[in-house]
Amino acid sequence: EPEVTQTPSHQVTQMGQEVILRCVPISNHLYFYWYRQILGQKVEFLVSFYNNEISEKSEIFDDQFSVERPDGSNFTLKIRSTKLEDSAMHFCAASQSGNSPLHFGNGTRLTVT
Amino acid sequence: GQSLEQPSEVTAVEGAIVQINCTYQTSGFYGLSWYQQHDGGAPTFLSYNALDGLEETGRFSSFLSRSDSYGYLLLQELQMKDSASYFCAVPSDRGSTLGRLYFGRGTQLTVWP
Repeated sequence: EPEVTQTPSHQVTQMGQEVILRCVPISNHLYFYWYRQILGQKVEFLVSFYNNEISEKSEIFDDQFSVERPDGSNFTLKIRSTKLEDSAMHFCAASQSGNSPLHFGNGTRLTVT
Repeated sequence: GQSLEQPSEVTAVEGAIVQINCTYQTSGFYGLSWYQQHDGGAPTFLSYNALDGLEETGRFSSFLSRSDSYGYLLLQELQMKDSASYFCAVPSDRGSTLGRLYFGRGTQLTVWP
């Protein structure tokens, strides 16, 4: 079964550094998302992306965050200047349409020290 | 705002039946989904109910009562591999697609031999 793949599986960075989390969504899926999950807490929506632009974003997704689909396959989340509170599991997800179930990747565990 | 309430933990033995309840408060209702997550890994879609009643998929069933703002996930013939966190989720009040999900805090199911 096609999968959403994410790299790296674990990223450690120092506060203030930039990080880029990468995702390869399922090829025939049109909607892409980033979610995050702070350890022991619920999964939270960050941003959705459709037709090469952001369709929605949450209050968490401030000016420090950006998303891009640079080459038609990779979907990236960039955090410009990481904070300690950015430490979380970051999940990429994809869906065939805006009303379809989400398929999540295995996540990137981001640790900011 | 939105809220989802589900028990934090449930335990059961192999072969048993367990029910995980979820009550919700939303300004608009566009369906209730259930996701499974093993050990902080990728959440996996289990089921979706938009209308009242029971949806059955193998050993798992999901029920919805819109008048009671209530749903549950029923797991039958429990197996050790069912030990995981189970999240109910609804489309965000502020979302324009069903992919912007608001998740509950999750129920940790432990299955004992």
